[in-house]
Amino acid sequence: DARVTQTPRHKVTEMGQEVTMRCQPILGHNTVFWYRQTMMQGLELLAYFRNRAPLDDSGMPKDRFSAEMPDATLATLKIQPSEPRDSAVYFCASGRTEGEWTEAFFGQGTRLTVV
Amino acid sequence: GNSVTQMEGPVTLSEEAFLTINCTYTATGYPSLFWYVQYPGEGLQLLLKATKADDKGSNKGFEATYRKETTSFHLEKGSVQVSDSAVYFCALAGRPNDYKLSFGAGTTVTVRA
Repeated sequence: DARVTQTPRHKVTEMGQEVTMRCQPILGHNTVFWYRQTMMQGLELLAYFRNRAPLDDSGMPKDRFSAEMPDATLATLKIQPSEPRDSAVYFCASGRTEGEWTEAFFGQGTRLTVV
Repeated sequence: GNSVTQMEGPVTLSEEAFLTINCTYTATGYPSLFWYVQYPGEGLQLLLKATKADDKGSNKGFEATYRKETTSFHLEKGSVQVSDSAVYFCALAGRPNDYKLSFGAGTTVTVRA
């Protein structure tokens, strides 16, 4: 059963520390998204990649966040330094886009708490 | 830019009641439209989709029809169950060649036995 895998599922860290979240998209999917979910803001798109190229990262605070796809099987989201306001659930999603959207499959998320 | 506006919640219903969640969109071109569902502690799952005007998406008793004239994609279910309690998100993907998924704010639905 193909699925998007995110690690870690939970992370508690102290303010100022670096946080790295990882995502393994479904094999064969060429589009990867990073979303952040909070009660106040709902689902916010942070960045997305197609064929490993970043297409839009306008939703990401550039001074502390970075997103990369070192290869087709791994996407990473880093926060350095982390702040309490970064506490949220971070979701990765992947899908296949060849002219038409098919479906975005979401991982179970990384719940980040910055204290 | 593309955007989605959906009915604010929370919505509380009794079992077997009729559910409607309104969703309207703003987009250039002809977007694809989706409803996603999120159960507690989980990621989002696709519930149904429609890719062109007058298409009806359906799944698990839920339905939504792509209405281009009213730019709407309302979600309906005729008889809800306790297991339908979840957060529902309307979303769109712009076309052509705009694969970014834009989500509404989500509507929390609670069904009481």
